[in-house]
Amino acid sequence: RKEVEQDPGPFNVPEGATVAFNCTYSNSASQSFFWYRQDCRKEPKLLMSVYSSGNEDGRFTAQLNRASQYISLLIRDSKLSDSATYLCVVVSSARQLTFGSGTQLTVLP
Amino acid sequence: NAGVTQTPKFQVLKTGQSMTLQCAQDMNHEYMSWYRQDPGMGLRLIHYSVGAGITDQGEVPNGYNVSRSTTEDFPLRLLSAAPSQTSVYFCASSYGGQGWTDEQFFGPGTRLTVL
Repeated sequence: RKEVEQDPGPFNVPEGATVAFNCTYSNSASQSFFWYRQDCRKEPKLLMSVYSSGNEDGRFTAQLNRASQYISLLIRDSKLSDSATYLCVVVSSARQLTFGSGTQLTVLP
Repeated sequence: NAGVTQTPKFQVLKTGQSMTLQCAQDMNHEYMSWYRQDPGMGLRLIHYSVGAGITDQGEVPNGYNVSRSTTEDFPLRLLSAAPSQTSVYFCASSYGGQGWTDEQFFGPGTRLTVL
């Protein structure tokens, strides 16, 4: 089993739709969690951190469920500019970041 | 601030050749790391450093060496290139000695092909 697993998609959604991605992790001792965004052939960039209490940044909401060992990302009112690959990142106690393989999102006009 | 810079952007090597991928950052970040990204595999950690003079292995270190003689630079050396090392390589840095918990700033990547 991979340490961090994501549904690769692709997710094709119309503008204005709400879309959610999940990411599961296997190491229960994992300490920190993030969502990164990667545009085609570009470097990843931090979208948001994921806190135990959940957090929201505009149209984006991130949740952490430690009991079930998954994190989620919800995008409301999708924009064309949201089209990208979304990477979940889990930080272990061994000071290493583990990236999921990414979920591809295409927002259609 | 230039952020994280990587050179070269593209490189083609023959099997057995060696080369160094350069990475530099001007943000005075303590933590630096190298990743490779392959289709369907996500980013995998090759080596990382928590400060000048300190390096450690990541998930896939075989065939690569690193050194960290200054805070700014973190070069990645391919000792004897193999086709399996064809990939996109990203360097990243973050603030502080516990930078693995902080935002990672990535360079633009080096696209390497080994024939």
